[in-house]
Amino acid sequence: KAGVTQTPRYLIKTRGQQVTLSCSPISGHRSVSWYQQTPGQGLQFLFEYFSETQRNKGNFPGRFSGRQFSNSRSEMNVSTLELGDSALYLCASSLGGTPDTEAFFGQGTRLTVV
Amino acid sequence: AQTVTQSQPEMSVQEAETVTLSCTYDTSESDYYLFWYKQPPSRQMILVIRQEAYKQQNATENRFSVNFQKAAKSFSLKISDSQLGDAAMYFCAYRSLLQGAQKLVFGQGTRLTINP
Repeated sequence: KAGVTQTPRYLIKTRGQQVTLSCSPISGHRSVSWYQQTPGQGLQFLFEYFSETQRNKGNFPGRFSGRQFSNSRSEMNVSTLELGDSALYLCASSLGGTPDTEAFFGQGTRLTVV
Repeated sequence: AQTVTQSQPEMSVQEAETVTLSCTYDTSESDYYLFWYKQPPSRQMILVIRQEAYKQQNATENRFSVNFQKAAKSFSLKISDSQLGDAAMYFCAYRSLLQGAQKLVFGQGTRLTINP
């Protein structure tokens, strides 16, 4: 069974640009969550999508957005990139139907903003 | 809002010895889940162990066990017979049953070094 796949693994963007990150969940999983990991702020929850609907959202500015497709794949978009957006972005998938389902993480996308 | 605190930024242990990582959390909820995740240099978060708050019995997974003290809001991880492959960042995490199914609140992490 394939794990959670995040693409690309590494990305370098210029300040002011926008970026789209992709996450393919484990087959059969309907929930996809996104996290930002930085040395200063640690791991912070961005948002969760379940069956194409945003179910939960963290405290991030509107420049951070996401969506989920009918095949459960999810994309995260960051517009008008700032230097502080440099981080490891992690995606986690789960069955999502009940709170007791385990979350499986991808290997992340390392975004560097210059 | 829930918070999770890991007071030990770094820990080290000799191979084959036992080490305990500390975690405290703050919540007003009575039902929730607690987790320990491991993040090796490959960056992929791996679930080590989980504890349901309604269960009084401490969870155990092979060499990994927890000491869950609900009243004290404490959730420590004990690693027995430490192995070189245990070297990683360890994160304690909280998940509410009330605020949506999958949001995890993480502590700042503890970097564990295993000395051969």
